[in-house]
Amino acid sequence: DAGVTQSPTHLIKTRGQQVTLRCSPKSGHDTVSWYQQALGQGPQFIFQYYEEEERQRGNFPDRFSGHQFPNYSSELNVNALLLGDSALYLCASSGPLGAISTDTQYFGPGTRLTVL
Amino acid sequence: AQSVTQLDSQVPVFEEAPVELRCNYSSSVSVYLFWYVQYPNQGLQLLLKYLSGSTLVKGINGFEAEFNKSQTSFHLRKPSVHISDTAEYFCAVSDRTPLVFGKGTRLSVIA
Repeated sequence: DAGVTQSPTHLIKTRGQQVTLRCSPKSGHDTVSWYQQALGQGPQFIFQYYEEEERQRGNFPDRFSGHQFPNYSSELNVNALLLGDSALYLCASSGPLGAISTDTQYFGPGTRLTVL
Repeated sequence: AQSVTQLDSQVPVFEEAPVELRCNYSSSVSVYLFWYVQYPNQGLQLLLKYLSGSTLVKGINGFEAEFNKSQTSFHLRKPSVHISDTAEYFCAVSDRTPLVFGKGTRLSVIA
């Protein structure tokens, strides 16, 4: 049973560029959440997707957007990159919705984004 | 709003000694509580969780945690640590909203 997978593992971009990160959830999961983990900090919630819709959003600007596909995989897009966007981006999956297990999120290995 | 406080940013401990990593939370509603471990350059791995039922929760790798509602705490314990337990440990809370994490505790096991 494959766990949560993310691609790419590392990425280097320059200020002002755009980036797309990808995530495939654990088998049987239908909800995907994205978190940003700055160096030396705990993860911060960006947003959550279910049924191809954004369900909840954390305190992140509109430069951060996402998408969920019919197969439950998801993308995180960040436009107009800033130096402060450098972080580990974690994807977590949970579900199926309605089960108590929904509240348990399983994380992928993350994508390390460096903005120069 | 929910919040999590991990009282120690760093905990050094000798191999085979016991360890306790402290976590306190604030929430106005019933919560679910989690401990995750992060090894260097990796994602988060679920150690254990409290959703309901017994307040003593056992997890992987010999870790356990006790939910104390009156003290709003969820401390993580292990009776005997190994070198391989060296990692960053995160406490998190959820009330069916996305997880809110503490800032983490770095556990360093000394040979």
